[in-house]
Amino acid sequence: KNEVEQSPQNLTAQEGEFITINCSYSVGISALHWLQQHPGGGIVSLFMLSSGKKKHGRLIATINIQEKHSSLHITASHPRDSAVYICAVPSGSRLTFGEGTQLTVNP
Amino acid sequence: DVKVTQSSRYLVKRTGEKVFLECVQDMDHENMFWYRQDPGLGLRLIYFSYDVKMKEKGDIPEGYSVSREKKERFSLILESASTNQTSMYLCASSLQPYEQYFGPGTRLTVT
Repeated sequence: KNEVEQSPQNLTAQEGEFITINCSYSVGISALHWLQQHPGGGIVSLFMLSSGKKKHGRLIATINIQEKHSSLHITASHPRDSAVYICAVPSGSRLTFGEGTQLTVNP
Repeated sequence: DVKVTQSSRYLVKRTGEKVFLECVQDMDHENMFWYRQDPGLGLRLIYFSYDVKMKEKGDIPEGYSVSREKKERFSLILESASTNQTSMYLCASSLQPYEQYFGPGTRLTVT
């Protein structure tokens, strides 16, 4: 089974700060998934990436396949970015999830 | 857009009751999944299904069963609810296993 570790578990920031969330996994993969979960439960997909970098608005995801590591960055953070961020990797025919990073952005 | 819906957002049941959680997707996906999510434990897979009438156990199937009679619908059944099944339950569907679309979740409380 592919083990997935995220750090930090909890992160508190002031509005405008640059945020980085890290994800490491133990077994080689073809793609990695970043997900966002707002209070209330629904999970939405942010990125699926297999190499390099992807950008969507203020969110940037990078992956280093050789080092088995991915990062999610948020530039100019805003209180509406407060959520749980989860990385997930394929493990056979399933997904293995990290435990998530609770991000709180204060105004 | 893929839409995955779950029958209830919040549910309160008594210990020993039989509980049905329904999930419906509208994108003709073969794969459907049921997870539970608990603080500090992340998402854990209960059951999944690759096709109608097919099911496979996930990591924590004990105390649960599932039913998939139609492609678009995947039901999770708690035969006799217990307080340790109080949790957030999330359904997902996908064409590829690693690109899953999630429903809004059902927060179940068993008293």
